Amino acid sequence: SQQGEEDPQALSIQEGENATMNCSYKTSINNLQWYRQNSGRGLVHLILIRSNEREKHSGRLRVTLDTSKKSSSLLITASRAADTASYFCATVPGPISSGSARQLTFGSGTQLTVLP
Amino acid sequence: DAGVTQSPTHLIKTRGQHVTLRCSPISGHKSVSWYQQVLGQGPQFIFQYYEKEERGRGNFPDRFSARQFPNYSSELNVNALLLGDSALYLCASSRDYGQAAVGQPQHFGDGTRLSIL
Repeated sequence: SQQGEEDPQALSIQEGENATMNCSYKTSINNLQWYRQNSGRGLVHLILIRSNEREKHSGRLRVTLDTSKKSSSLLITASRAADTASYFCATVPGPISSGSARQLTFGSGTQLTVLP
Repeated sequence: DAGVTQSPTHLIKTRGQHVTLRCSPISGHKSVSWYQQVLGQGPQFIFQYYEKEERGRGNFPDRFSARQFPNYSSELNVNALLLGDSALYLCASSRDYGQAAVGQPQHFGDGTRLSIL
């Protein structure tokens, strides 16, 4: 079953605009990760934020995490046509024990289209 | 370095048949995980292997099985295929497992597209 939901399911913007995607999850986490998937291909890791962090930046990406609301957001600034893809949040359950599986639980994804 | 490689890239089977999918992790990575991604949904966890032992299993029937070899490559086997098994099967690798792996991203292959007729 899916851990949570991404919102919106689809987003269409013009090149140069900012894109914001939201993710909600249900259970306690150790960390939350964002991945990008280009049409039918594998997932590419974008950024990881730990449960004790509130905000993280990587290039044009900004991720926030609110554990009290069990939600996260991904902001892509100055979007480009090449950013067109599906974006997924994925959670790793917490707490991590030495013998626990490190499975990722994914949301349902946001399809981002950046128009030139 | 080569990324995670999966074979074959596409596969067409009929109901009731059996299929074997293969995955080679990034060199030095000892943990391999398998995910199923049905069209329009996020990936769902099937198995995780580390040092040739199963370390985690998702909510999938016993028709699904996997193994990991001494060179850390892995196979996913699915028996008695159903129409609902049509999906993109993704393999992911990471260097470590458990506490040691916290903070390590998983590296995904491009997947095997399985179609059941």
